[in-house]
Amino acid sequence: EAQVTQNPRYLITVTGKKLTVTCSQNMNHEYMSWYRQDPGLGLRQIYYSMNVEVTDKGDVPEGYKVSRKEKRNFPLILESPSPNQTSLYFCASAGLGGGYTDTQYFGPGTRLTVL
Amino acid sequence: GDSVTQMEGPVTLSEEAFLTINCTYTATGYPSLFWYVQYPGEGLQLLLKATKADDKGSNKGFEATYRKETTSFHLEKGSVQVSDSAVYFCALSWPGGYQKVTFGTGTKLQVIP
Repeated sequence: EAQVTQNPRYLITVTGKKLTVTCSQNMNHEYMSWYRQDPGLGLRQIYYSMNVEVTDKGDVPEGYKVSRKEKRNFPLILESPSPNQTSLYFCASAGLGGGYTDTQYFGPGTRLTVL
Repeated sequence: GDSVTQMEGPVTLSEEAFLTINCTYTATGYPSLFWYVQYPGEGLQLLLKATKADDKGSNKGFEATYRKETTSFHLEKGSVQVSDSAVYFCALSWPGGYQKVTFGTGTKLQVIP
């Protein structure tokens, strides 16, 4: 089954404790992206990646890191989480057929709470 | 920069009512346009899309037409069901090298029996 998986689905942590949210897709997609969803703000893009070792900032990259060492995985790293990073996070992937971002497939989301 | 504006919700309709959710965009050029739907507790999934002006996307009874004159992509459905209750997001992305995707803030739809 084609899917995007995220782990963990729920996470409660404390300020300053490094954490990683994993994202994996099994569709051989070139493009992967991370979003955060906050009430009244919709989805905002954090980082995206066009392919292995190619990443770029989205709208709200501050406080986040990503890496793309393998095509299927795109982890999101919070080196020193703060309460304003409490949010619902989504990973997404897409093929690049025709040279543009086609339909994105979303993971189920990770609800992060930073105390 | 690019932006997508959706009508504010929540929108509450009775079953079998007609639905319109407005979406307009600001961008230089002609992006691809999408509607995504998010059911409670789930991630987003594509509902429909249109990649060029005057294209009509359709799926599950929903339709939206890409209008470049009004820079709009309004979502419509003739007769909503309780199962359509969800949050609907309008989005745009670009062909070519620039892969950033811009989403609207989402419109929550509640359909009551």
